Amino acid sequence: GAVVSQHPSRVICKSGTSVKIECRSLDFQATTMFWYRQFPKQSLMLMATSNEGSKATYEQGVEKDKFLINHASLTLSTLTVTSAHPEDSSFYICSATTAGGRNTEAFFGQGTRLTVV
Amino acid sequence: TQLLEQSPQFLSIQEGENLTVYCNSSSVFSSLQWYRQEPGEGPVLLVTVVTGGEVKKLKRLTFQFGDARKDSSLHITAAQPGDTGLYLCAGARYKAAGNKLTFGGGTRVLVKP
Repeated sequence: GAVVSQHPSRVICKSGTSVKIECRSLDFQATTMFWYRQFPKQSLMLMATSNEGSKATYEQGVEKDKFLINHASLTLSTLTVTSAHPEDSSFYICSATTAGGRNTEAFFGQGTRLTVV
Repeated sequence: TQLLEQSPQFLSIQEGENLTVYCNSSSVFSSLQWYRQEPGEGPVLLVTVVTGGEVKKLKRLTFQFGDARKDSSLHITAAQPGDTGLYLCAGARYKAAGNKLTFGGGTRVLVKP
């Protein structure tokens, strides 16, 4: 299957600072990538859809000024958590989809464990 | 409200037993994927089912897509401790914006040795 690489896998930051998470599709071009947040023992919650060359589409309730998304190339999307607070501590996962229509499949990065202290 | 309802939410069984996880919706999906996720890692794609009534087998795992493409099931035969993890189903709709997937709530499976 397709490979999606996410970096870093773990990050600890101080409250009030910003953290950038990278998501790369290594062997395919992804015009669309997705960012999820996952709380312990729960499913994935979609935060936003990252579109190459255009603005991201955020899900209801997700602050776009807090979670900045940039998708400058067909293989890289970044999520920046700005002015992080302890409540932002979570597991963040990106994914990229291949093909489209009935053959849509999503491949996920390894996830980033963010801890804000 | 989850558009895809997974059941059960949690399943604890002994090694060697069988288990079935269900994924149900009132909506029709173009395709449905099953993923397994281990703690601290991203979900890994297990299978994609596309055709109504389709059955796919992956070693001891059997996946079925409902005839109406609204539901799916995952059956594991003779479960092993290595099958422990969070199982997620996700549905895709043809021409959905950005190929966005809808995820079920997940089923946490624990296989005890």
